[in-house]
Amino acid sequence: QVQLVESGGGVVQPGRSLRLSCVASGFTFSSYGMHWVRQSPGKGLEWMAVISHDGKNKYYVDSVKGRFTISRDNSKNTLYLQMNSLTADDTAVYYCAKHRVGVTVFGVAPKGPTDVWGHGTAVTVSS
Amino acid sequence: DIQMTQSPSTLSASVGDRVTITCRANQSISSWLAWYQQKPGKPPNLLIYKASSLGSGVPSRFSGSGSGTEFTLTISSLQPDDFATYYCQHYYSYAWTFGQGTKVEIK
Repeated sequence: QVQLVESGGGVVQPGRSLRLSCVASGFTFSSYGMHWVRQSPGKGLEWMAVISHDGKNKYYVDSVKGRFTISRDNSKNTLYLQMNSLTADDTAVYYCAKHRVGVTVFGVAPKGPTDVWGHGTAVTVSS
Repeated sequence: DIQMTQSPSTLSASVGDRVTITCRANQSISSWLAWYQQKPGKPPNLLIYKASSLGSGVPSRFSGSGSGTEFTLTISSLQPDDFATYYCQHYYSYAWTFGQGTKVEIK
């Protein structure tokens, strides 16, 4: 079955960096856009970033532009989130999520939400 | 960014009740709207996409409607498993944004 497993979270000091990973299985990873979404303790959901199926296109929420980088290695079925210059506001559970619809034979990625999420990895930024 | 506003923030209801949650966008998003259900300690689960299409394996008591800027999620007969928090989310353009959530509690 389709599965996403995040790792790499932990406790980190303000200003430091962390890299999250998300290993995918059960589907053709290289055909799907992938997303990162976070949820601060007791709060709502915040969409962070998306990367196209081939890694060529990336978009970010303004609050992380220039600090976070989304990337993927399709040979390893793995999605990454490099987080730099972390602050207390980045404390959250980070989820990776799969785009609901894969790329078409014409290379077009149809609009669609996410349909499968991992269980998340917790990041705490604290001195 | 497009802002999504849900109402109410909290809803108290009984098993068997018909429940409606509203989501408004501050600009037209056509029908590019999804609804998710989230239970404590779990990731969100896709209920509805494209405003009214039922997600895979989602019970038929869930339905969605609307287009443009106003959308609703309806649970026709609330079941014990439905007590959770519900989020709307637009995917009209990046950056996607979520509503603040509606917690459905037991009355």
